[in-house]
Amino acid sequence: NAGVMQNPRHLVRRRGQEARLRCSPMKGHSHVYWYRQLPEEGLKFMVYLQKENIIDESGMPKERFSAEFPKEGPSILRIQQVVRGDSAAYFCASSPGQNNNEQFFGPGTRLTVL
Amino acid sequence: ILNVEQSPQSLHVQEGDSTNFTCSFPSSNFYALHWYRWETAKSPEALFVMTLNGDEKKKGRISATLNTKEGYSYLYIKGSQPEDSATYLCAFSGGYQKVTFGTGTKLQVIP
Repeated sequence: NAGVMQNPRHLVRRRGQEARLRCSPMKGHSHVYWYRQLPEEGLKFMVYLQKENIIDESGMPKERFSAEFPKEGPSILRIQQVVRGDSAAYFCASSPGQNNNEQFFGPGTRLTVL
Repeated sequence: ILNVEQSPQSLHVQEGDSTNFTCSFPSSNFYALHWYRWETAKSPEALFVMTLNGDEKKKGRISATLNTKEGYSYLYIKGSQPEDSATYLCAFSGGYQKVTFGTGTKLQVIP
């Protein structure tokens, strides 16, 4: 049973480009969470999704950021018109059920904006 | 804004010493408290999920307790080893909502 997979592991973008980060949850998990770790800071919640639904996006910046978890395929975190401040490690986690189930984390995607 | 605080921020202990650190969280609308171990350059690894007041959980030399009425949890490590060096994160879940992480306690075990 493969763990949570994220790709790419490293992504370099120039200012103004788009970044697409992918997360494939563990088999049987229908809940996906995205977190951001800015340099020298802890994990910050961004968004919580179930299949085809955004449950809680209170941690998402209001502009340029969007997330989806389609019926088929991985969850996508999309950042439009990236800026240098978007440089961070983005972690995805999945769980089989509600919030009291442990979350299993992927290896993260390190985004660098030049 | 939910406050999940961990103390101390960092800790250095000698190999063989036992240690503990604290996570404090809101005592209202409690649903679950999670502990994670996060080694440098790796992803966080779940240690415990605790849901009931008075819960005690143990995994090898690591154990945790939970007091939901006063809003705190302790993580204990008995006989620390260098491989225990990591950042220990707690995360609070207040129902069908996001999980809020503390900033972590960074533990360094000196051989």
